[in-house]
This record gives sequence, structure tokens and C-alpha cells, in this order.
Amino acid sequence: QVQLVESEGGVVQPGRSLRLSCAVSGFTFSSYGMHWVRQAPGKGLEWVAAISNDGSKRNYADSVKGRFTISRDNSKNSLYLQMNSLRVEDTAVYYCAKAGPGVVVVTAGEIDNWGQGTLVTVSS
Amino acid sequence: QSVLTQPPSVSGAPGQRVTISCTGSSSNLGAGYDVHWYQQLPGTAPKLLMHGNNHRPSGVPDRFSGSKSGTSASLAITGLQAEDEADYYCQAHDNSLTAVLFGGGTKLTVL
Repeated sequence: QVQLVESEGGVVQPGRSLRLSCAVSGFTFSSYGMHWVRQAPGKGLEWVAAISNDGSKRNYADSVKGRFTISRDNSKNSLYLQMNSLRVEDTAVYYCAKAGPGVVVVTAGEIDNWGQGTLVTVSS
Repeated sequence: QSVLTQPPSVSGAPGQRVTISCTGSSSNLGAGYDVHWYQQLPGTAPKLLMHGNNHRPSGVPDRFSGSKSGTSASLAITGLQAEDEADYYCQAHDNSLTAVLFGGGTKLTVL
């Protein structure tokens, strides 16, 4: 079955960097677009970034553009999120998520599988 | 501020029917993009409930149905059950932002 397992988050000071990774299994990783979605404590879902199956197309939410970078390594079945210049408002549970089958434009399709999420706390 | 607008909360008694609306604009739902719906039970990751406006993934009961017209969409739940108590989110693509949008979420309470 599909499994998406995020790396451990943690506590980081404002202005610092953190890299999240997501190890996937149970499907042909190189065939699917992927997303990062976050949820601040007690708040709703916020899409962060998406990447096409081959990594050639990347899209970002305005709130993270220029600070976060989504990437993937299809040879390692892994998705990454490099987070720089972290802010207090980036505190959230971060979910790694898989685009659905047949999705041509990653940002237009559904998300059919989610990881369990990892908590990132930005605090001094 | 989300540009897909959902009511913050809805409620209904067991067995009743409830609907959750999702209102967008000409750059997302009104541009013809599909709406997708997710259910998030307390303390868990979201789960895909409906995709492509009205298609249920395998395993989702037919008590759940979806529709879309113009700049609005809705999720209907019939025969409410206690286990349906959760947060529900709509999602769509926005052409002007070239981004994924989520609605603000709706908390369903089963009375």
C-alpha cells in the first residue's frame, strides 16, 4: 500500500533553516506529482508547494515563495522541502502528499494520499 | 485569507442530510477547474473524499455526494452518522495564482 513517511520536524529559531524529507513506497514515485501541505495548530489546510513527476515544474504558495524549495530524487523515492529564513508563522504540521492518478497539471488535480505529518515549530 | 469560502460550521442530527458549500471565483471554480473534497478526523491526516467534483474514491460511502456549478460547489452527506463528525475542506486550482487553494474548512457536528 502507499506509504508516505515524513522526517522528524523539530524546533528551530526564526531565520534558521530546516530540510524535511519524505520517503515513499507502494507506488511508482517517478510517475506522480507531489505536494507539501501544512496546517498551523488549530487552523485549516494551507498548500505549500507542488512538483511535477519529473521535477521540471514547481509551484509555490506566495507565503513561501523565495524561501522554500521543493525537490525530489526519483532514484531514492524521496521528496524534500528545504525551508530557509523560517518565520514564527511557518509553525505547522507539514504533510507530504501524493497527486492522484491521471493528474496532468499537478496543482489542478486531487491529492489522494497523505503522510502522517511532522510538526515544525519556529520559536526563539 | 482563503479565496475558497466555506461555512465555518454545520450541524445535523443522526440520519439527517447536511450540505457544505464552497464558493470560489472566476479564476478557480468559475474557470472550469474541478473541486475536490477532503475529510479530516480529529488528530489525523486529511483523507480524499471526493475528486473531480463528484467522483468518490473506492471505499467512500455513497452517502457522500458532490456537485459543482459555476463558481460554487457543494458536498452533501445523507444519513448522517456520528463517525462523520470531522472537518471538511474543498480544494481547487487557481489560474491567477497558479496555485492550489484550500477552503477554510467546515466543522461538521453530529448532534
